[in-house]
Amino acid sequence: EADIYQTPRYLVIGTGKKITLECSQTMGHDKMYWYQQDPGMELHLIHYSYGVNSTEKGDLSSESTVSRIRTEHFPLTLESARPSHTSQYLCASSESDLNQPQHFGDGTRLSIL
Amino acid sequence: TQLLEQSPQFLSIQEGENLTVYCNSSSVFSSLQWYRQEPGEGPVLLVTVVTGGEVKKLKRLTFQFGDARKDSSLHITAAQPGDTGLYLCAGQTSYDKVIFGPGTSLSVIP
Repeated sequence: EADIYQTPRYLVIGTGKKITLECSQTMGHDKMYWYQQDPGMELHLIHYSYGVNSTEKGDLSSESTVSRIRTEHFPLTLESARPSHTSQYLCASSESDLNQPQHFGDGTRLSIL
Repeated sequence: TQLLEQSPQFLSIQEGENLTVYCNSSSVFSSLQWYRQEPGEGPVLLVTVVTGGEVKKLKRLTFQFGDARKDSSLHITAAQPGDTGLYLCAGQTSYDKVIFGPGTSLSVIP
């Protein structure tokens, strides 16, 4: 039963468009994350947040940006989509205490034509 | 750079067989999690291990955390097609950073 929601699940869109991927969680978690993952491959952390107004870049360089205006909401934006952005994007959240697991959404499968 | 390695990368077995997958690092972790991810979905937590030498059982799955808290294994007994998926380990450092391994892709053939 998911308490973290991502929309849309699938998006096919043309090059140059501005895209926002939505992520919301109802668990009150302070920590939130965005990962990029190609099918069946490893997760790459692209952004994370430790709370409202806190955002940091992850290990994998990304042209996307994020914002954290509310605890429950952590949207990711691509200002001008390119075919190289085609991938699956996973959002996750966790409690702030040490050793807490991450709870993942079902992802957005993004295809840029 | 802290890395988590997983082996094997791919594994295809017949239903009913046993298997073990491994997660190794040169770093010490305060905890380690195992997740399973099915196609088109996000990873789902299977277990968290915290204490060196700890063994946890979840039905047919047995998880072990190494004594030095640098490695872990997942053993599945009598694998079933429903076990098919990508198994990811994730280690948490004392600096509150989480590192994911590249995953083991398991296929159980009926």
